[in-house]
Amino acid sequence: GEDVEQSLFLSVREGDSSVINCTYTDSSSTYLYWYKQEPGAGLQLLTYIFSNMDMKQDQRLTVLLNKKDKHLSLRIADTQTGDSAIYFCAESLNRDDKIIFGKGTRLHILP
Amino acid sequence: DAGVTQSPTHLIKTRGQHVTLRCSPISGHKSVSWYQQVLGQGPQFIFQYYEKEERGRGNFPDRFSARQFPNYSSELNVNALLLGDSALYLCASSSLQGLTEAFFGQGTRLTVV
Repeated sequence: GEDVEQSLFLSVREGDSSVINCTYTDSSSTYLYWYKQEPGAGLQLLTYIFSNMDMKQDQRLTVLLNKKDKHLSLRIADTQTGDSAIYFCAESLNRDDKIIFGKGTRLHILP
Repeated sequence: DAGVTQSPTHLIKTRGQHVTLRCSPISGHKSVSWYQQVLGQGPQFIFQYYEKEERGRGNFPDRFSARQFPNYSSELNVNALLLGDSALYLCASSSLQGLTEAFFGQGTRLTVV
């Protein structure tokens, strides 16, 4: 079945890199996403990667995909206080399908 | 351009009551999806509508229903509310069915007491 797992908490010092990890169960997943949710706000799509890609970089964000291990990671370089939020890993089987979300990783920034 | 707008932003209802939540998609978007986010969990898919037709339904009881209007706005209805229905209800719109970049609204926070 479809399932997305991620650790619940991560603490990182300001200026360091944050790495948030995720595993998914459905090898048929075509699209893998990272969403950001700040307190009291909706979901913001940060980036997504197609399953035929290994890596995608967008400014401070780097997504790595290991399709063999069904492992997805999000690296945030030079973590800022504004990066404090909950980060959701998500997947969908194809373009017409629903999005399956993980429970989210709360990123806490230490001064 | 206005983003996805949802109303109301907050709502308190009593067990057994009925609730209607509303969503206006981004202008030009024809697909609307609804998600339920219980505190501490990730969003769970409820419905997807495209061109006024239901195109997907998640694992929710029949107390949950939705519709999409000719102007592509949408309503989510929940009957016989339970305490467990307390959640943030999120609406997402996209320009084509299943387009990867879905834009989410700020959500409606429903509290059932």
